[in-house]
Amino acid sequence: DTAVSQTPKYLVTQMGNDKSIKCEQNLGHDTMYWYKQDSKKFLKIMFSYNNKELIINETVPNRFSPKSPDKAHLNLHINSLELGDSAVYFCASSQDRFAAFFGQGTRLTVV
Amino acid sequence: QKEVEQDPGPLSVPEGAIVSLNCTYSNSAFQYFMWYRQYSRKGPELLMYTYSSGNKEDGRFTAQVDKSSKYISLFIRDSQPSDSATYLCAIRAGGTSYGKLTFGQGTILTVHP
Repeated sequence: DTAVSQTPKYLVTQMGNDKSIKCEQNLGHDTMYWYKQDSKKFLKIMFSYNNKELIINETVPNRFSPKSPDKAHLNLHINSLELGDSAVYFCASSQDRFAAFFGQGTRLTVV
Repeated sequence: QKEVEQDPGPLSVPEGAIVSLNCTYSNSAFQYFMWYRQYSRKGPELLMYTYSSGNKEDGRFTAQVDKSSKYISLFIRDSQPSDSATYLCAIRAGGTSYGKLTFGQGTILTVHP
């Protein structure tokens, strides 16, 4: 009964490819996020959506494009993948001023 | 200067010890304070959430916030090997209800039997 689920869990791809990560939450939250965790475990926000509307876009290259078809789903599409995009990407959701709940992460490796 | 500073450790303690984890922050707008635990290859798991100065206790965990000093702490009593993980402080500004979390670098904790 996973609250925030992401697919795929692992993604290995070549430079220059385009890939997507999907996220779904069943908590009924209004807000969803994408965070990136680098090799030093530092977590940084990329995007935030509230009720399908983009609220936060933290100077992320425009090769990254989030899409929220409804408030329970937030997908991340990445074009022309680069070596530096290798990281763990976490989806999260929250409601009102409460804490965010995270998915299990997608480990992206670009070779 | 980073908005949230956290000593990355690593911190190694014997089982049963009291562990103290700390973060400092610089932005007075920060009003909501969280501690997450992250096991290897897993997502961050919420441990504690508070929005006021003072202490909040939950089992073996106590979160402490001192807004005047911009300092937050997490204490773990009677630490267990299963507490071995990375601990992340996260802070959010007030105002909007969907503000981003700003994380510390995380402290790697090992509790050895």
